[in-house]
Amino acid sequence: EVHLVESGGGLVQPGGSLRLSCAASGFTFSNSEMNWVRQAPGKGLEWVAYVTSGANRIDYADSVKGRFTISRDDAKSSLYLQMNSLRVDDTAVYFCVRGDLTIVPPDYTRLYYYLDVWGKGTTVTVSS
Amino acid sequence: DIQMTQSPSSLSASVGGRVTITCRASHPISNFLNWYQHKPGKAPKLLIYAASSLESGVPSKFSGSGSGTDFTLTISSLQPEDFASYYCQQTYITPRTFGQGTKLEMK
Repeated sequence: EVHLVESGGGLVQPGGSLRLSCAASGFTFSNSEMNWVRQAPGKGLEWVAYVTSGANRIDYADSVKGRFTISRDDAKSSLYLQMNSLRVDDTAVYFCVRGDLTIVPPDYTRLYYYLDVWGKGTTVTVSS
Repeated sequence: DIQMTQSPSSLSASVGGRVTITCRASHPISNFLNWYQHKPGKAPKLLIYAASSLESGVPSKFSGSGSGTDFTLTISSLQPEDFASYYCQQTYITPRTFGQGTKLEMK
């Protein structure tokens, strides 16, 4: 069965750092694009960052660019999010998510991206 | 960035009823649009991709339509387990932005 399990959340002061981990199982992690998505209290889902298979491409939401770093260790089937210079508005549940591509016949020229496997999330609270 | 706007932000409906949620993109995105369901404390769940394709295992009571800038998610024969929050997401360009969500509550 396909699983993603996040860990590493907790309470941290503004300006502090935290490293989130995500352990994957049940699929070939090294072939998968991976994302972090967060949900602040009472708010909607916000995409945070992604890394392609082989880490050939990485991108971040503007709100975290320069402060967060996404990485992966394919030998350990693990995804990470290093969060520095944390702010109160980074308080959220952070989800580890697999991204995948598919085609929709009869059109074989387009690839459609979707987020198909989600972890249950880990909670990060930034507060003094 | 492409902004995704959902309406309504919340709505109430009865068991057995039918609802439609709308998602509008700030720029045309063809049919690169997904819908997710999210229940508190649970992992979000993919319902529909490519605007109208049903994810495997998702019941046919869920349906999506639209192209360009305007999209809809329709849920028929509402059951207690359908009351949740729903999000659209565009995957036309990065960042792959979400709508702000629609909370479906039981009347």
